Amino acid sequence: GAVVSQHPSRVICKSGTSVKIECRSLDFQATTMFWYRQFPKQSLMLMATSNEGSKATYEQGVEKDKFLINHASLTLSTLTVTSAHPEDSSFYICSARGPGTNEKLFFGSGTQLSVL
Amino acid sequence: AQSVTQPDIHITVSEGASLELRCNYSYGATPYLFWYVQSPGQGLQLLLKYFSGDTLVQGIKGFEAEFKRSQSSFNLRKPSVHWSDAAEYFCAVAPNQAGTALIFGKGTTLSVSS
Repeated sequence: GAVVSQHPSRVICKSGTSVKIECRSLDFQATTMFWYRQFPKQSLMLMATSNEGSKATYEQGVEKDKFLINHASLTLSTLTVTSAHPEDSSFYICSARGPGTNEKLFFGSGTQLSVL
Repeated sequence: AQSVTQPDIHITVSEGASLELRCNYSYGATPYLFWYVQSPGQGLQLLLKYFSGDTLVQGIKGFEAEFKRSQSSFNLRKPSVHWSDAAEYFCAVAPNQAGTALIFGKGTTLSVSS
C-alpha cells in the first residue's frame, strides 16, 4: 500500500532556530499534501494545503511567513518552522493524496517538535 | 460551521469486552465520514469510511461504524477488543470525498485492561 514517510520523527531545537520537516510519498505521486499540527489533547488542526508546483494555501490564523511550505515535486513537501519559539512545540503531521478523485489520504507518522 | 465532536476523551475497556466510541458531527449537507486510528509512534491509519449506501460500514481490524443521520452520529464499534487496539481514535468529516482536507474530532484514547 501507499506509504508516506515523514522525517524527522522527533526534533529538539533552540528558540530562534529553524526546523525543516520532510514529507515524502514513497510509491505514488502526491499531487496534494496537507500539513496538520496537534497540541496535546487537541484535535489535528489543518495548517495548510499544498498542490505540487503551486503556493500553499494557509488556514486562517496560520502565519505563512513562519511556516514555510514547499511542494516542489510530486513526491516531496517540506514544512519549515522559521525562528521557532516554545509555543511552536507541537506534533506536526502530513498527509498526501494522489491525483485521482477517489484517492485515499495517507498520513506520515508525524514529527514531535520541542522548542527550548 | 462543520465540526466533529467526540464526547469521550478517554475510555478503558477490558480485553474481550465490546467497544463503542462516539462521534457526532455538524454539517449542512451529506457528510463523508471517517474513522482513523493513531498508534504511538505511527501515522494515522484509516479504519473505515462512509460515503453513501448501507449505513453500517465494515472496516479493518474488526471495526464497524453506523451512520445515523437522525442523530448526526457515526459511532465506531468492535465486538471484542484486543490489547493491541489501545490507541487514539479520531473521527473526521469531509464535505466531499476528494481533494478536501478532513476536519477531525479531538480524539478518544482507548486503554485496554487485562
